[in-house]
Amino acid sequence: QKEVEQNSGPLSVPEGAIASLNCTYSDRGSQSFFWYRQYSGKSPELIMFIYSNGDKEDGRFTAQLNKASQYVSLLIRDSQPSDSATYLCAVLMDTGRRALTFGSGTRLQVQP
Amino acid sequence: GAGVSQTPSNKVTEKGKYVELRCDPISGHTALYWYRQSLGQGPEFLIYFQGTGAADDSGLPNDRFFAVRPEGSVSTLKIQRTERGDSAVYLCASSLTGTSGRGNEQFFGPGTRLTVL
Repeated sequence: QKEVEQNSGPLSVPEGAIASLNCTYSDRGSQSFFWYRQYSGKSPELIMFIYSNGDKEDGRFTAQLNKASQYVSLLIRDSQPSDSATYLCAVLMDTGRRALTFGSGTRLQVQP
Repeated sequence: GAGVSQTPSNKVTEKGKYVELRCDPISGHTALYWYRQSLGQGPEFLIYFQGTGAADDSGLPNDRFFAVRPEGSVSTLKIQRTERGDSAVYLCASSLTGTSGRGNEQFFGPGTRLTVL
């Protein structure tokens, strides 16, 4: 079992729809969770972070964390073609290490 | 500049050669991280600096890889006797602090694409 798992996709949604991206993690003690957006040929860009159970909203983005289920998700409302990218879930695990553990990413395609 | 910068953006070298990759973190960030990313994969951790010292080098794949951060700012990743399997994008990130919670968000530079022929 991978430490951080994501569906590789592609996830295809029409413009204006809600895109839902999911991530599960293996370390129950993990405390910090991050979503990065990566356009093809570019480096990861931090778009959301969440540390507490529940929802965190920032503009069109909502991060949801459920520690009991070891599940974190990212919702993108009113999806735009410019949202088409790979979304990486990253977890700071409860090992004392400061290194992020990344999933392999989910590729999102927003169809105009 | 305001963000993390990395040089060179691209490096092509021959098998067996030595390469140095440079990272300049966001001003004021005390923590610096090196990752590498292969096609279709998420970044994989290599080494983490808190200030001048390597606080965690457990991700370095072998002793051909070494990194320094002598003045607590700029860092250099050094790879000796490069192999074709070292080809990847090498990413540097920095964070305000190295502690958990607020301030530990990591911001990435543009990366260096290393190709070993």
